[in-house]
Amino acid sequence: AQSVTQPDIHITVSEGASLELRCNYSYGATPYLFWYVQSPGQGLQLLLKYFSGDTLVQGIKGFEAEFKRSQSSFNLRKPSVHWSDAAEYFCAVAGGTGGFKTIFGAGTRLFVKA
Amino acid sequence: DVKVTQSSRYLVKRTGEKVFLECVQDMDHENMFWYRQDPGLGLRLIYFSYDVKMKEKGDIPEGYSVSREKKERFSLILESASTNQTSMYLCASSTGSGKYGYTFGSGTRLTVV
Repeated sequence: AQSVTQPDIHITVSEGASLELRCNYSYGATPYLFWYVQSPGQGLQLLLKYFSGDTLVQGIKGFEAEFKRSQSSFNLRKPSVHWSDAAEYFCAVAGGTGGFKTIFGAGTRLFVKA
Repeated sequence: DVKVTQSSRYLVKRTGEKVFLECVQDMDHENMFWYRQDPGLGLRLIYFSYDVKMKEKGDIPEGYSVSREKKERFSLILESASTNQTSMYLCASSTGSGKYGYTFGSGTRLTVV
């Protein structure tokens, strides 16, 4: 069965520091992989997606993620965090036997210190 | 700007009431979804639809039903609201096989008293 694990419930980084949010997935084939961001009281917004090609994908707001098949990982990175990046981040997987349904991780809450 | 619109941001309903949550998308997407989001439980799929008048149960359909009479509109119905249905409800839509991701609405915060 498909599953997504985000090991960190919350992370705190200083403004200007680099960020990496971890995501591991369980899947039998090449999945479609996504990162979403949710600001408080809002819906989710798609940051970036991977479904084929270059394993390093660029997204909006200066985020990038790297697909590593050997590690079943799709970690999200940003070189320099801004206070406005404080939000909850969700990794997600879709495709295969799950069809177009998407499975979401439990989320990682990002706190940014001044 | 393409979007998914949920009719209410906040709703307060009484136990036993029939509640309708409406969702409209303007992207001509085939697939539409209803999730609920609760602290510590993440997003859980209630129902989804891949075509007009088609619906499929998700992971937690009990106590809910849906209606999709038009492609752009997907309604979630709480037949008899209960306090354990107090939650954030998120509507989303997608096209094709899902590889392009979802577009979400802003959510409806429902409180059942």
